[in-house]
Amino acid sequence: DTAVSQTPKYLVTQMGNDKSIKCEQNLGHDTMYWYKQDSKKFLKIMFSYNNKELIINETVPNRFSPKSPDKAHLNLHINSLELGDSAVYFCASTAGTGGYNEQFFGPGTRLTVL
Amino acid sequence: QKEVEQNSGPLSVPEGAIASLNCTYSDRVSQSFFWYRQYSGKSPELIMSIYSNGDKEDGRFTAQLNKASQYVSLLIRDSQPSDSATYLCAVNGADSNYQLIWGAGTKLIIKP
Repeated sequence: DTAVSQTPKYLVTQMGNDKSIKCEQNLGHDTMYWYKQDSKKFLKIMFSYNNKELIINETVPNRFSPKSPDKAHLNLHINSLELGDSAVYFCASTAGTGGYNEQFFGPGTRLTVL
Repeated sequence: QKEVEQNSGPLSVPEGAIASLNCTYSDRVSQSFFWYRQYSGKSPELIMSIYSNGDKEDGRFTAQLNKASQYVSLLIRDSQPSDSATYLCAVNGADSNYQLIWGAGTKLIIKP
């Protein structure tokens, strides 16, 4: 009965590789997010989709490409991984617009680039 | 640039005392305010939301909002060691219905 799930939980890879992280929510929410949390613990928004439409696209390298096949899924593909990409990536979802809806987070994917 | 400021701490509070966490924000038209708790190695977990000036209580937690002074606080009564975590303040702006602006978090340590 997990609300927001992510796979994999841990990802260790070499520089230059390409990897994907998947996220699914079963809350019926319309909006999903990708966040990056670095070693200093600051949460940085990367992307957001509302009903499969990209609505937030913050300044991140174009090596990062999100994809939402449907409103319950949001994936993140990363090309040519770099050391600085090492972080915890969180997926989150919210019920809709208006700013009055709380965001619910997945368990996170800890990415380590060697 | 819209900002949310929190004291990074650590804030050390004796068990059983009241822990007071503060957050200030720069966007005067912000409408929604959230407190999240994040244990080490875990994801942020929503513990309180507040939308109107004043106090909102939920168990041992009380959120306080003062829009005129642009601050929001979280009080934890009868603090327990299990309350030790990083507390994140998040605020949304009126021009961004989807996006939250996040503070850097305050690390709270409850000493037995």
